[in-house]
Amino acid sequence: DQQVKQNSPSLSVQEGRISILNCDYTNSMFDYFLWYKKYPAEGPTFLISISSIKDKNEDGRFTVFLNKSAKHLSLHIVPSQPGDSAVYFCAASAKAAGNKLTFGGGTRVLVKP
Amino acid sequence: GAGVSQSPRYKVAKRGQDVALRCDPISGHVSLFWYQQALGQGPEFLTYFQNEAQLDKSGLPSDRFFAERPEGSVSTLKIQRTQQEDSAVYLCASSYLAGAELYGNTIYFGEGSWLTVV
Repeated sequence: DQQVKQNSPSLSVQEGRISILNCDYTNSMFDYFLWYKKYPAEGPTFLISISSIKDKNEDGRFTVFLNKSAKHLSLHIVPSQPGDSAVYFCAASAKAAGNKLTFGGGTRVLVKP
Repeated sequence: GAGVSQSPRYKVAKRGQDVALRCDPISGHVSLFWYQQALGQGPEFLTYFQNEAQLDKSGLPSDRFFAERPEGSVSTLKIQRTQQEDSAVYLCASSYLAGAELYGNTIYFGEGSWLTVV
C-alpha cells in the first residue's frame, strides 16, 4: 500500500513556463513533507520542504503548496529551466514514526529549450 | 570527504552470492540511513543508525539483509544469498543531527550502489 503517490510519472514543459508536480498521501500522521531532486547516476538532493502547520513555502523559483484536508501537495517551478530536467521525489515523515522518510515513485521532468 | 561516499558503485552478482555494500558518511555525521530504490520507484527505508547503534531496522525486507556500523562511522550493508528481486540501487544517507533533531531537517544522500543480480 503506497502511502505517498506521485500519479504523473513524467512531465514535459517548455523553458520559461511553469512546472507543476503533484503528490498525494494517505497517512494522516504525516506532518512534514520534502521534495528531492535526482539527476541520473546521482543521489537525491534536498530541494524544499514544508511543515504541516503551513500551507505554502517558497524558495526562489520553487514553491510548495500543502492542502492538508485533501492530503495533497504540489511543487511549482517557475520559470522552468533546462537544468531543472531531473526526477523529482515527494517524501513525507511523521514525528511519531521516527526519522524515516516515505517516498513517492517520482516524476521525471523534461524542460525543453 | 565532502559528501557521502558509497562503494562499489556498480555490482553484478550471481543469484545466491553474498554481497557487501559500503557507505562512508560525511565526517562527523551521527545519523546514517540505508534506503533501497527499485527501478522506476522511489527509495524505501531499510535501516537507521545513530552512531554505532542500529535504532531502527524495520525496513529490512528479510533476514538475508544485515547492516552494521561498528565504530559509528563507516557502515556496511550485507545481503546474503542474493535473489533477483534484490536488484536495486542501495542509497546511503547521513546527517550531523540525531534523534528528535532530525525531524524536519534534510539528510544527505550518496550516489548509491547499483546492484544487479543475474
